[in-house]
Amino acid sequence: RKEVEQDPGPFNVPEGATVAFNCTYSNSASQSFFWYRQDCRKEPKLLMSVYSSGNEDGRFTAQLNRASQYISLLIRDSKLSDSATYLCVVNRGNDYKLSFGAGTTVTVRA
Amino acid sequence: GAVVSQHPSWVICKSGTSVKIECRSLDFQATTMFWYRQFPKQSLMLMATSNEGSKATYEQGVEKDKFLINHASLTLSTLTVTSAHPEDSSFYICSARGFSNQPQHFGDGTRLSIL
Repeated sequence: RKEVEQDPGPFNVPEGATVAFNCTYSNSASQSFFWYRQDCRKEPKLLMSVYSSGNEDGRFTAQLNRASQYISLLIRDSKLSDSATYLCVVNRGNDYKLSFGAGTTVTVRA
Repeated sequence: GAVVSQHPSWVICKSGTSVKIECRSLDFQATTMFWYRQFPKQSLMLMATSNEGSKATYEQGVEKDKFLINHASLTLSTLTVTSAHPEDSSFYICSARGFSNQPQHFGDGTRLSIL
């Protein structure tokens, strides 16, 4: 079983729509959770950390469910510039090393 | 925000050549740097972790004699792919972290193509 699993998508949504997707992780000892954004053929960029109580950053909302070991990302009022691959990233338990999902591709159309 | 620079961004070379990739943290001291590899449509895979002034630790299945890592200062780590072959063609990305509770910041990646 992969350490981090994501629905690869693609999620094709019109501008202004809301899109949400999850990832699951296998290591129950993981303590740090992140969403990164990766544009085509570029490096990942940190979108937001995910906290236990859930957190929001502008149009982006992240939730963590430790019991079920999944993390979600919701994007409201989608913009064309939100088109990217979103990587779910989890640390390996007590280790500071990170495990990456293969990414969920989102395409926002005009 | 934190900036990590990676050089070169694109390399094309013949089989058997050794290629060195540099990773620099430009505005912070990176106590730990990480090297990843990403094949098309796959997730980033951690290759090795390097702490300044000590030997790198390699993930299972990564040959340390093939992928030489040097982290001689708090702002520079290098990855040398020795005697590269076509199967080593990939996107190599470094990341750097200051302190243990800080997120990793990624370099802009090096696309390596071995002919």
